[in-house]
Amino acid sequence: AQSVAQPEDQVNVAEGNPLTVKCTYSVSGNPYLFWYVQYPNRGLQFLLKYITGDNLVKGSYGFEAEFNKSQTSFHLKKPSALVSDSALYFCAVPLKSNTGKLIFGQGTTLQVKP
Amino acid sequence: DTGVSQNPRHKITKRGQNVTFRCDPISEHNRLYWYRQTLGQGPEFLTYFQNEAQLEKSRLLSDRFSAERPKGSFSTLEIQRTEQGDSAMYLCASSSGTSGPAYNEQFFGPGTRLTVL
Repeated sequence: AQSVAQPEDQVNVAEGNPLTVKCTYSVSGNPYLFWYVQYPNRGLQFLLKYITGDNLVKGSYGFEAEFNKSQTSFHLKKPSALVSDSALYFCAVPLKSNTGKLIFGQGTTLQVKP
Repeated sequence: DTGVSQNPRHKITKRGQNVTFRCDPISEHNRLYWYRQTLGQGPEFLTYFQNEAQLEKSRLLSDRFSAERPKGSFSTLEIQRTEQGDSAMYLCASSSGTSGPAYNEQFFGPGTRLTVL
């Protein structure tokens, strides 16, 4: 069965420092991978996706993610964190079926302190 | 682009009552999903519509749950005889049909938070 794992429940970083939110996947074949962000009392917002091609994917709000096939990882990164980046982040994999339903990780809370 | 909308945003009900939620997807999207999210967890898939056809239902969707998408536009999710375990955030998402379903990102609504007393 396909799955993603986010090994950290929470990541704390100081404003201006680089941030990394980790995700590893277990997918047969070549994976599609997504990152979403959820702000309090709001729905999920799409950040970026990896489908194929360049291993470094750039997305919204200055975020990027690096696909690493040998380590089966898709870590989310940002060179300089903002306090407003504080939110809940989800890694997800869509099933390559006739539905494309998303399988989500358990989420990582990012706290950026001033 | 008005995005995905969901109503109501919050619903408090007593155990045993029926509730119905509505989702209005992005107008040109023919794919519609329902997910359920409990505190501290990632969303879990409930059901999927392509146009008006319900193509998949999760085992999480007991016989007390029913979803419809008449005419392939808005969708409703009904829970009959609610139980305290149904308390959760119910999220709706839609996506474009221009490519394979796994390829296109899903756009989520703000969710309906259900509390069953």
